[in-house]
Amino acid sequence: KAGVTQTPRYLIKTRGQQVTLSCSPISGHRSVSWYQQTPGQGLQFLFEYFSETQRNKGNFPGRFSGRQFSNSRSEMNVSTLELGDSALYLCASSLVSTGQETQYFGPGTRLLVL
Amino acid sequence: GNSVTQMEGPVTLSEEAFLTINCTYTATGYPSLFWYVQYPGEGLQLLLKATKADDKGSNKGFEATYRKETTSFHLEKGSVQVSDSAVYFCALSSGNTPLVFGKGTRLSVIA
Repeated sequence: KAGVTQTPRYLIKTRGQQVTLSCSPISGHRSVSWYQQTPGQGLQFLFEYFSETQRNKGNFPGRFSGRQFSNSRSEMNVSTLELGDSALYLCASSLVSTGQETQYFGPGTRLLVL
Repeated sequence: GNSVTQMEGPVTLSEEAFLTINCTYTATGYPSLFWYVQYPGEGLQLLLKATKADDKGSNKGFEATYRKETTSFHLEKGSVQVSDSAVYFCALSSGNTPLVFGKGTRLSVIA
């Protein structure tokens, strides 16, 4: 089975722009979660989608949004980019949305905001 | 709320040395516990997991036992290799809550 894929792998943007990141989960997985990883804050949860519905949301401003499509693929969008948004954005998928399910991570999208 | 505390790194060991990375947690209910590993330039890979007290997760020579009485899930390996150099994250999930990660421990193994 193919793993979780994320596109693009690297991205450079300037302050004020917006960006859309894409995640394709493992086939059959219906839950997709997004995390932001920075050296200072570590791994922080952004949001989780299950069957096209947002199930959980982390403590991030409204500039961060996401959605999930009927084929379980997910996108996250960051509007009005700030320098502090530079990070590795990780997507993870699991079969269903429960705490005991293992989440499988993609390679991440590294975003640099100049 | 849920939280994970793991030992600060970096940890530097010689090849074939014994490894322990400490992890303790605070959680409501009965969490599942995980160790993930991140190699340079990559995403996270699940190393092992345990879903109930006294369970032992193991993979690639790594082991961790879910200790409810001490709220711990320490990672151990008897003989590390250079290829084990990576960042290791302890994490937990409880009920329908998202994964909560520790800050990560960077391990460097020298030949």
